[in-house]
Parts: sequence; structure tokens; C-alpha cells
Amino acid sequence: DGGITQSPKYLFRKEGQNVTLSCEQNLNHDAMYWYRQDPGQGLRLIYYSQIVNDFQKGDIAEGYSVSREKKESFPLTVTSAQKNPTAFYLCASTPSGYNEQFFGPGTRLTVL
Amino acid sequence: GDSVTQMEGPVTLSEEAFLTINCTYTATGYPSLFWYVQYPGEGLQLLLKATKADDKGSNKGFEATYRKETTSFHLEKGSVQVSDSAVYFCALKAAGNKLTFGGGTRVLVKP
Repeated sequence: DGGITQSPKYLFRKEGQNVTLSCEQNLNHDAMYWYRQDPGQGLRLIYYSQIVNDFQKGDIAEGYSVSREKKESFPLTVTSAQKNPTAFYLCASTPSGYNEQFFGPGTRLTVL
Repeated sequence: GDSVTQMEGPVTLSEEAFLTINCTYTATGYPSLFWYVQYPGEGLQLLLKATKADDKGSNKGFEATYRKETTSFHLEKGSVQVSDSAVYFCALKAAGNKLTFGGGTRVLVKP
């Protein structure tokens, strides 16, 4: 089946540790995005990538890093520099020429 | 910059009631407008969209009309079900590939 997968669904880490969240899509979409969602709030854009080997900062990029070495993969690393990393993280993608974004199921990260 | 404002929830209503969620926007140019729905613990699903003024998007009994004169895109459903309980997000896409989201409106439908 075509779609966007994020793994794992739940992730626990100790404070001070870096952690990488996976996002894979087999839809052949060009653009991919990472959002953060906090309880009762909307989505805030962390990073996005429109083509392989290129990415741009979103509104809240501090404390995060990404890579886009393959079209189908866009992993997000939450570094120890991120002050409040506990949140629900959503990955999305868009095919070229389309307006809407398609979302993965999300990863809930809890930093203890 | 671009922004989306939607009514705060939670909105609580009984099954078969009429649902309206207000959404207004500020954007340069002629944005595309979207409604997404999020069920508990899941990602967002596209509910409907409209790409130009006076377009009406519709899906699963939900409707929204792109009103440029009032910069609005209100979501409506004539008869809600318990399964419509979710968080609804209004969003716009202006120039570039980024979506701008509203804060979300939680809807709770009681049997």
C-alpha cells in the first residue's frame, strides 16, 4: 500500500539524548515536511524539503536537524539543544504541482 | 504574514445537530484553502479543499465555501454523528509550498 509511515508511534528518551524520528513515503512525492503539535494547539513547521539534498528551516527549527539523502526518506533528529522536546511530531509530503499535504500517523515523543 | 483564525473549542453538540466551525484567514494573493480532520492519536486527514473564490469543497457530508469578500472558509455539516468527534483544522496555502494552520477546533458529539 502507498502511504507515509512514521516510526515508532511512541518514543521515550532521557533528557540530554539526541533522538531520530523516521519518516518514509512510497508515494513518489517530491516535498516533505516536519511539524510539531503540542496539546490543544495547531501545527508548527520545523523543517521542509522540496528536493533531495536540499531543505529549509521552518518556523521553529532551533534544536532540530534533518537530512534528505533519498526522495522517500526525511528523518528528523531532535537534539539535546531543543528545550521542550516532548510533543507529537507529524511528517507530511506533497506531490509536485499539488497544493494539499498528506500526513503520516505521527510519533509521540516523551522526554523524561 | 499569512494567518488562519478559527473558533476555539471545544464544541459540544448532540447527534444529528448542525455543526458550523468558523474560519477566517489573512493572506497575500489568492490562497488555496483546506479543512483537515484529526482523530485521537492519529495524523491529519484532508477533509476538503477549495482553490479559488466561490469554490465549494465537500466530502462526507461536510461543506465549506471559499468566500473571498469575507476571507472566510467556514465548515458545515447538517447532521453530525458520534464518529465526527475529532479536531478540525483550517489551513491555507499561499505562495510557496508551506501550509499555514489554524489552532484547531475540538468537536465532541454526544449520542
